[in-house]
Amino acid sequence: QVQLVESGGGVVQPGGSLRLSCAASGFTFSDYGMHWVRQAPGKGLEWVAFQRYDGSNKNYADSVKGRFTISRDNSKNTLYLQMNSLGAEDTAVYYCAKDRMATSATCLDYWGQGTLVTVSS
Amino acid sequence: EIVLTQSPDTLSLSPGERATLSCRASQSVSTYLAWYQQKPGQAPRLLIYDASNRATGIPARFSGSGSGTDFTLTISSLEPEDFAVYYCQQRYNWPPITFGQGTRLEIK
Repeated sequence: QVQLVESGGGVVQPGGSLRLSCAASGFTFSDYGMHWVRQAPGKGLEWVAFQRYDGSNKNYADSVKGRFTISRDNSKNTLYLQMNSLGAEDTAVYYCAKDRMATSATCLDYWGQGTLVTVSS
Repeated sequence: EIVLTQSPDTLSLSPGERATLSCRASQSVSTYLAWYQQKPGQAPRLLIYDASNRATGIPARFSGSGSGTDFTLTISSLEPEDFAVYYCQQRYNWPPITFGQGTRLEIK
């Protein structure tokens, strides 16, 4: 069965950096696009970033563009999110999610359990 | 950016009743709309994609309809496990993909 397991969350000071990882199993990771989506405490869902199956294209929400970088290692079945210049507004549970398709964002058919990032001094 | 507005914010119903949730887009998204269910402390789960297609393993009591700017998620007869928050999501004009603000379905 499809499994997505995020790690790397924690408490970080404003202006700091953090790298999230998402280990994928139960499907051919290199065949699908992958997303990061976040959810601030008590709030709704906010899409963060998408990377197509082969890593050749990346897309970001305006709120994170220039600060966050999505990447993937298909040899390790792992998705990453490098987060720099973090602010309080980035405090959220971060989910990695699999897209139904390979090359373009469509819908997110499997989600990890999420990892909490708290930006606080 | 396409804005999705869900209504109502909260829907109070009893088990066995029919639930109708609405999602309206600020411009046409064709049928490129999905619905998700999220229970407290859990990740979202895909229910419906491309407006009317049930995702793998989703019970037949869940159905989706609509096109253009107006969409509906219908739960024909509510089960106790259906009480949750529901989100719609569009991918017609992306990036970004966008989500609605959510509808909370609570037990009356």
